[in-house]
Amino acid sequence: EVQVLESGGGLVQPGGSLRLSCAASGFTFSSYAMIWVRQAPGKGLEWVSSISGSGGSGSTYYADSVKGRFTISRDNSKNTVSLQMNSLRVEDTAIYYCAKSQDGFYGADYWGQGTLVTVSS
Amino acid sequence: DIQMTQSPSSLSASVGDRVTITCRASQSISIYLNWYQQKPGKAPKVLIYAASSLQSGVPSRFSGSGSGTDFTLTISSLQPEDFATYYCQQSYTTLSWTFGQGTKVEIK
Repeated sequence: EVQVLESGGGLVQPGGSLRLSCAASGFTFSSYAMIWVRQAPGKGLEWVSSISGSGGSGSTYYADSVKGRFTISRDNSKNTVSLQMNSLRVEDTAIYYCAKSQDGFYGADYWGQGTLVTVSS
Repeated sequence: DIQMTQSPSSLSASVGDRVTITCRASQSISIYLNWYQQKPGKAPKVLIYAASSLQSGVPSRFSGSGSGTDFTLTISSLQPEDFATYYCQQSYTTLSWTFGQGTKVEIK
């Protein structure tokens, strides 16, 4: 059974940092890209970042809204993907979902339950 | 960047109605368009991938069509469990995705 589980959310002050983690199981982790998507309270879905299966150089992608502040990485030996979030802003407040891409072009077929990040003073 | 525009933003419909949601891309995305359903407090669920392929386990009353810039999600006979918000998502730009703003389907 495929499982995706996020952790690491919480309350942080503007300008602060937070690291989200996502643990996956039930599939060959290194064969699939992993995705972070967020949803601000009462708003729609926003793609945040993606990393290819190999996770090598040049295989990470970021939305303009987080580029230069967020860093995605993965450890294929531990079946985990992380999102390091620096210089956090109030507008980064959202539920952050980790998801498995079923193929780079065919959407995300398995999602975690989400972890809430609140940026507030 | 590719922008995705859904219409309508919301709609009211009755059980048994045929419902159509449209999604337009700001440039051609071939067939690289996916549709998701999201219920309150839950993660999204993929319904349709590659514009018209039904995800495994999804009821056949859901269908998708289109290519290029214009796409459609159709629910042939709306069921009580289908009241939710629906999102389109382009994957033409590999691993740099964009979602539409969502369409909320409510009970009339």
